[in-house]
Amino acid sequence: QVQLQESGPGLVKPSQTLSLTCTVSGGSISRGYYYWSWIRQPPGKGLEWIGYIYYSGTTYYHPSVESRVTISLDTSKNHFSLKLTSVSAADTAVYFCARGRREGGPPVFDFWGQGILVTVSS
Amino acid sequence: DIQLTQSPSFLSASVGDRVTITCRASQIIASNLAWYQQKPGKAPQLLMFAASTLQSGVPSRFSGSGSGTEFTLTISSLQPEDFATYYCQQFNSYRITFGQGTRLEIK
Repeated sequence: QVQLQESGPGLVKPSQTLSLTCTVSGGSISRGYYYWSWIRQPPGKGLEWIGYIYYSGTTYYHPSVESRVTISLDTSKNHFSLKLTSVSAADTAVYFCARGRREGGPPVFDFWGQGILVTVSS
Repeated sequence: DIQLTQSPSFLSASVGDRVTITCRASQIIASNLAWYQQKPGKAPQLLMFAASTLQSGVPSRFSGSGSGTEFTLTISSLQPEDFATYYCQQFNSYRITFGQGTRLEIK
């Protein structure tokens, strides 16, 4: 059974960089077929896809954060990471990592981490 | 980007009721739609993909239908554990989008 676990600081100051890691157990992130993904949820609101990375290193990002976001893989540690620069209060959210399973093309998300609340505040 | 609009946004129902949630896409997405259930404080769980294919382990009281731009999620007989928020997600485009959610509460 695949498990994902987010880690990182829960508080980030405005204009700084948000950095999170998702550690995957029960499966290798270097195996093909899966997209390793980040999705966020502002308090009391809906889900917003941030981006994902394929095992080959190909990335896709939401247009609203594309200029500020980087998702990367570390196959030696079996984890993947999110970096979001120049954060503001609008980036306050629960951040989920998830495994995206290919269904003939773009993925659906079949395994999720529990989520980590990141607050942007001075 | 493909926009998804769910209706209703809020639904009040009783145990044993049959309920239907609709998701409309701003452009044709074939059957490339998934449904998720999210309970408070928890991560979403995949219920259905390809519009009508049940994810492994999901009870058969959940069903999905639709193609093109209009899709439905039906729960045939509500159970207490079904009261949650439901989201649709399109995977027709690599720029993934979710619907705004439908909150299902106990009447």
